[in-house]
Amino acid sequence: GESVGLHLPTLSVQEGDNSIINCAYSNSASDYFIWYKQESGKGPQFIIDIRSNMDKRQGQRVTVLLNKTVKHLSLQIAATQPGDSAVYFCAENIPLGAGGTSYGKLTFGQGTILTVHP
Amino acid sequence: KAGVTQTPRYLIKTRGQQVTLSCSPISGHRSVSWYQQTPGQGLQFLFEYFSETQRNKGNFPGRFSGRQFSNSRSEMNVSTLELGDSALYLCASSLAGGSFTGELFFGEGSRLTVL
Repeated sequence: GESVGLHLPTLSVQEGDNSIINCAYSNSASDYFIWYKQESGKGPQFIIDIRSNMDKRQGQRVTVLLNKTVKHLSLQIAATQPGDSAVYFCAENIPLGAGGTSYGKLTFGQGTILTVHP
Repeated sequence: KAGVTQTPRYLIKTRGQQVTLSCSPISGHRSVSWYQQTPGQGLQFLFEYFSETQRNKGNFPGRFSGRQFSNSRSEMNVSTLELGDSALYLCASSLAGGSFTGELFFGEGSRLTVL
């Protein structure tokens, strides 16, 4: 049959603004979450991660918040720059084996397109 | 430290043909995962190999297969190509196959177009 394309959410901001990208994850057993950035023509690039026993983690200009009660994840980018323009994916690690490994299978969200205007 | 290397970067095939894609993981990483990325389905997990053994497999037909060599390099093969196989095929390597002990590092992908 005919496939339906994903309609990715979009976020458009001005340079210097703060950006917030949201993600709802699927599995309450997920123990680890990662945000990836994917620029056009490139593979996903790691931004920041957080374990399920944490609520917040900060990196350089980025903060990830985790709300396990409602299974929600957010990525905050401070002072957004044109170079931040990309598609952002959240991914969850659902443990299958010893040590929490998912045996290579991350479950990805649909992605959000971030456009930063100079 | 070199990143994940995928070859070829771009290729065009016709329906019915087969294709083999290659992935060299980051040095020291023993887990290699493969994903298919399309505009319609997003990122979907194909399979994972660790120490030459397939440990996990996604929901794809048997036309999709893979293997891993003793040096952790991996290949995936798609036989009897269909138009719907057109996609970006991504390889990711990690220490343990994904967990808080080490995230997945992705390559740039192999862009397959099936005509």
